[in-house]
Amino acid sequence: GAVVSQHPSRVICKSGTSVKIECRSLDFQATTMFWYRQFPKKSLMLMATSNEGSKATYEQGVEKDKFLINHASLTLSTLTVTSAHPEDSSFYICSARQHRGNQPQHFGDGTRLSIL
Amino acid sequence: AQSVTQLGSHVSVSEGALVLLRCNYSSSVPPYLFWYVQYPNQGLQLLLKYTTGATLVKGINGFEAEFKKSETSFHLTKPSAHMSDAAEYFCAVSAYSGNTPLVFGKGTRLSVIA
Repeated sequence: GAVVSQHPSRVICKSGTSVKIECRSLDFQATTMFWYRQFPKKSLMLMATSNEGSKATYEQGVEKDKFLINHASLTLSTLTVTSAHPEDSSFYICSARQHRGNQPQHFGDGTRLSIL
Repeated sequence: AQSVTQLGSHVSVSEGALVLLRCNYSSSVPPYLFWYVQYPNQGLQLLLKYTTGATLVKGINGFEAEFKKSETSFHLTKPSAHMSDAAEYFCAVSAYSGNTPLVFGKGTRLSVIA
């Protein structure tokens, strides 16, 4: 079945560091990928929609200069948390949907980001 | 616009008992509905989905859900709970199969008591 790989699974770093998270669709092409953020004991909130070859669309309240999204190919999207601070600590999850048909989103396993 | 309401943030059942997790949705267009499961420190795994056709949908691990348009519901059930079913369950809705994001409910934590 469709697989989405997300890397790294866990990051612990100092405040001020920039962190890059990769999301890859391993066996299908995804023109669109989504980035979600999950706070402890909370649901998933959509951060942005990543479109291959164009700028990402950010949800209201999400700082696009803080959360840089690049979707350079049909199988790879990256989220960079720039100058991360403790309040950016969270669980970040990407998803991708196959381009055709009534296909559900497939999720990566998530990245737990901890900023000290 | 779409929205999802999951009734009960925490459900506790005995092993072998019926599992019922409730989900109601709101959608201005015919919805696509999903149930995902999340184990601790992991991503989401699709349990089942409804797009069109048969309203009773069977998923993995013995779960099933029934789409009831008149009740705007998509409740998740399993006849007999196993300890391994303990996890967080999310109901989600999407407008259609295009490149639209999912809107998630707040989740229901299922505990299974031995």
